[in-house]
Amino acid sequence: AQSVTQLDSHVSVSEGTPVLLRCNYSSSYSPSLFWYVQHPNKGLQLLLKYTSAATLVKGINGFEAEFKKSETSFHLTKPSAHMSDAAEYFCVVSVGGSQGNLIFGKGTKLSVKP
Amino acid sequence: EPEVTQTPSHQVTQMGQEVILRCVPISNHLYFYWYRQILGQKVEFLVSFYNNEISEKSEIFDDQFSVERPDGSNFTLKIRSTKLEDSAMYFCASSLVGGGAGETQYFGPGTRLLVL
Repeated sequence: AQSVTQLDSHVSVSEGTPVLLRCNYSSSYSPSLFWYVQHPNKGLQLLLKYTSAATLVKGINGFEAEFKKSETSFHLTKPSAHMSDAAEYFCVVSVGGSQGNLIFGKGTKLSVKP
Repeated sequence: EPEVTQTPSHQVTQMGQEVILRCVPISNHLYFYWYRQILGQKVEFLVSFYNNEISEKSEIFDDQFSVERPDGSNFTLKIRSTKLEDSAMYFCASSLVGGGAGETQYFGPGTRLLVL
């Protein structure tokens, strides 16, 4: 069965420093993996997705994630945090063979200090 | 940029009452979904809908729940007799195509439902 574990419920960084949000997955199939972001009172916005092409995936707003099959990880990174990056981030795996059922991690709240 | 919209943003209801949550998916999308997130817990899949019928549903989606596309633009989730444990944020999503992994789902801002 597919599952996703986000290792940190809350991450706090200073503006201009790197961001690392950790995600591990479990999947019986070759997974499709996503990172979504939710700003307060906004919908879930897709940051990036991995669908078995390049293992290093670039997304919007300078974020990227690397699919590492040997480590079953899909960590999200950004070289330099901006105040506007403060939000909740969700790592998501798509259930293969379904009609698009997504399985969400519990979310990581990113705080950015000035 | 087209987006999924949901109304109302907040809904408070009494236990046992019926509620209808409304969503307007992106206009050319064909697949529609409902998810919910109970406070402090994960976002959970409820149901997917295509071609005017349910494609897939989770164990959560019992007989108290129903979905409908009453016209060409709206997609609704009805809870017939609300329970305290139905209190959650409900997200609607849509995708252009579906039926497999990797298709991007576009989410609305959610409706926060509180059952008293």
